[in-house]
Amino acid sequence: AQKITQTQPGMFVQEKEAVTLDCTYDTSDQSYGLFWYKQPSSGEMIFLIYQGSYDEQNATEGRYSLNFQKARKSANLVISASQLGDSAMYFCAMSRETSGSRLTFGEGTQLTVNP
Amino acid sequence: GAGVSQSPRYKVAKRGQDVALRCDPISGHVSLFWYQQALGQGPEFLTYFQNEAQLDKSGLPSDRFFAERPEGSVSTLKIQRTQQEDSAVYLCASSLSLWSVPYEQYFGPGTRLTVT
Repeated sequence: AQKITQTQPGMFVQEKEAVTLDCTYDTSDQSYGLFWYKQPSSGEMIFLIYQGSYDEQNATEGRYSLNFQKARKSANLVISASQLGDSAMYFCAMSRETSGSRLTFGEGTQLTVNP
Repeated sequence: GAGVSQSPRYKVAKRGQDVALRCDPISGHVSLFWYQQALGQGPEFLTYFQNEAQLDKSGLPSDRFFAERPEGSVSTLKIQRTQQEDSAVYLCASSLSLWSVPYEQYFGPGTRLTVT
């Protein structure tokens, strides 16, 4: 079974600063995928970034980067230069295989960006 | 292009009623997923379709839950004899396929079901 743990129920950051959202995972699979999604108050889940377990380089997408530490089983999301529009719930998720199979989500972290 | 759409956006049902929730995936997306999201929690997997075939329904919480995708596009999640614990947001997601990049799933806005 796969399990995702997000230990930060809420995080606060000042506008234009960087913030790290923590995610640890547990799986017995050798290959897996790691995802981050953003859920604004409107409710729609928005894909941010993906990392495959065999990818040696950390994934980056614009202001988002995934700090992947395989030995520690962590997949933290780093948001650089925070914007007010980044205020939302953020979910870490994983899939079996490095594929688009069913996702197992964590409990989420509510990020608030202060002006 | 058009994203994933779901209808209705909100549904109030009396306990014991049957409900049907609809999902229109992105055109050409082979894979379709249903998730249930309780208030303040992360989504939980319910079931998965590859085209019209339901390949995984291990997340359906009881035999009152039923999903179909008869022509490999639109999907319907049906809940019979609704109970209060069924109150949640039901999210639909689609992706190109399991094995083709990009792997990300595209989510619809969800249907918020309230059972009174």
